[in-house]
Amino acid sequence: EAGVVQSPRYKIIEKKQPVAFWCNPISGHNTLYWYLQNLGQGPELLIRYENEEAVDDSQLPKDRFSAERLKGVDSTLKIQPAELGDSAVYLCASSLDSGLNSPLHFGNGTRLTVT
Amino acid sequence: GNSVTQMEGPVTLSEEAFLTINCTYTATGYPSLFWYVQYPGEGLQLLLKATKADDKGSNKGFEATYRKETTSFHLEKGSVQVSDSAVYFCALMRDSGGGADGLTFGKGTHLIIQP
Repeated sequence: EAGVVQSPRYKIIEKKQPVAFWCNPISGHNTLYWYLQNLGQGPELLIRYENEEAVDDSQLPKDRFSAERLKGVDSTLKIQPAELGDSAVYLCASSLDSGLNSPLHFGNGTRLTVT
Repeated sequence: GNSVTQMEGPVTLSEEAFLTINCTYTATGYPSLFWYVQYPGEGLQLLLKATKADDKGSNKGFEATYRKETTSFHLEKGSVQVSDSAVYFCALMRDSGGGADGLTFGKGTHLIIQP
């Protein structure tokens, strides 16, 4: 099966500019996650979707970050405006459902550099 | 809240050495426990998992046993290879009552195997 696909792979922008990341989960996976991974750290959850509903966005900095999953399949994560501290790898993952026995499958991530 | 603590890296070993990477966790209830591996330039991949106390997860010669009494899930391998060089993440997932609330990761342990 095809894995989780993310694009772009790399993105370099100047601070105060907007940026968007795209994720296509594994077909049939209802649950989608966006994670943030800073250098030398483990991934941290930003938002979790069950189909098109954001069921946990408590860690998403809503002043500048937004996400959507309009049709319950692909998802987009946006930052506007970007700050220097947003430089990190943004990971998308999907799972069949949110049960404990449904492992997460991760994409290769988008590495964002804000200058 | 949930948290995962794993040993600091980098861990440098010679080929065919015995590997242990320590992982302890804090969580209420009965989380599922995971080890993920990240090879250079690639996304996170599930290595193994255990869903209840005393379960042993195993894959590719790696194994880890869910020890509730010591809240630990140490990763072991009897004879490491150069190809095992990667970053290893210990993680937990807990059901908060509305479905699993995503993975909580440790900071990762960079493993370097020298020929």
